[in-house]
Amino acid sequence: DAKTTQPPSMDCAEGRAANLPCNHSTISGNEYVYWYRQIHSQGPQYIIHGLKNNETNEMASLIITEDRKSSTLILPHATLRDTAVYYCIVRVGAGGGADGLTFGKGTHLIIQP
Amino acid sequence: KAGVTQTPRYLIKTRGQQVTLSCSPISGHRSVSWYQQTPGQGLQFLFEYFSETQRNKGNFPGRFSGRQFSNSRSEMNVSTLELGDSALYLCASSLAPSGGAYNEQFFGPGTRLTVL
Repeated sequence: DAKTTQPPSMDCAEGRAANLPCNHSTISGNEYVYWYRQIHSQGPQYIIHGLKNNETNEMASLIITEDRKSSTLILPHATLRDTAVYYCIVRVGAGGGADGLTFGKGTHLIIQP
Repeated sequence: KAGVTQTPRYLIKTRGQQVTLSCSPISGHRSVSWYQQTPGQGLQFLFEYFSETQRNKGNFPGRFSGRQFSNSRSEMNVSTLELGDSALYLCASSLAPSGGAYNEQFFGPGTRLTVL
């Protein structure tokens, strides 16, 4: 699986959009980009995933560059409960239930009141 | 629908002992994966079970083992505990392994193991 690079930490004001970047310059054509987050003392939680088109769900939007070498997770209106470590994961295939997810260090997003 | 449950939530053992952790997946989920989380190494994949068979294994020594029962519940065992085994052990369940449509992994709250 391709390696990802994320900033170790970011701050965002409550109510503003939080934009979390991820670099995955060695991504292959059949690798998807997944985002999970881990709130303190809880297990990770799936947020969103995509291959090459931008994706949106009730939690967030995922913007993938045309060359697929980087992506941005957008939380449109951040709340204090969005404070967590966000993991960008790149792996082969659409299935996420086997083969194991490879988590990096992630980005610690802190939402400021 | 109840989420993934893990027992016990906290455990203290001494070096050389063995430990068994339990995971009950979401009802209807047949795939269970185990992860170890430490401050130094982060979240690392241990192994994954589907239909009572281990399908994949991470890079951990043979002291780490697991199994899955016919009701999809899973246990992991660590023998001859070392200080470095102190970690949060997370279990995740999903409907099925990869190969088709995306199967989101749902994580449990974890078992905090401390080895003294």
